[in-house]
Amino acid sequence: QVQLVESGGGVVQPGGSLRLSCAASGFTFSSYTLHWVRQAPGNGLEWVALISYDGINKYYADSVKGRFTISRDNSKHTVSLEMGSLRAEDTAVYYCARNLPGGNVGLDCWGQGTLVTVSS
Amino acid sequence: SYELTQPPSVSVSPGQPATITCSGDKLGGRYISWYQQKPGQSPMVIIYQDSKRPSGIPERISGSKSGNTAILTISGTQPMDEADYYCQAWDSSIVVFGGGTKVTVL
Repeated sequence: QVQLVESGGGVVQPGGSLRLSCAASGFTFSSYTLHWVRQAPGNGLEWVALISYDGINKYYADSVKGRFTISRDNSKHTVSLEMGSLRAEDTAVYYCARNLPGGNVGLDCWGQGTLVTVSS
Repeated sequence: SYELTQPPSVSVSPGQPATITCSGDKLGGRYISWYQQKPGQSPMVIIYQDSKRPSGIPERISGSKSGNTAILTISGTQPMDEADYYCQAWDSSIVVFGGGTKVTVL
């Protein structure tokens, strides 16, 4: 079945860096746009970034632009989020999610999330 | 930046309909998706393209849109429907979520 599994979360000091990964299985990975979405403790969902199926197009939320980089490896079925200059407000559960086929439609499959805590 | 506005909370009695609104500028020209999130779980899409239900989502959950407001309706609300609900749209190539609505089944 379709599965997304995030990893790489942990505790990091302000100003530090962290790399999250998402391993996909059960579908034709190279055909789908993928997203990172985060949720701070007790808060709502905040979209972070997306990468197109071929890795060419990448878009970011203003809150992370210039600090985070999304990438993918279609041969390994993985999508990554390189996070730098981390701030306390980046503390959140980070979810990897798959875009429904057909463009700007919706996100149909989500991972279980990985927790990132930015604290000294 | 584009914003979607949802009521923070909705309370409903078991068996009664629950209605959650999501408003935003020029919503008529954008597809809306709705997500359900229960405590400790990942979000799950329950409506996409305004009114389509993924397989496995019961017919008592429906989506509609009128002007700049999208509406999620849960008819015959059950205790299992108690959750947070988020609407989502696109602003060009950026994804936007509403602030979420907590549905309480009293």
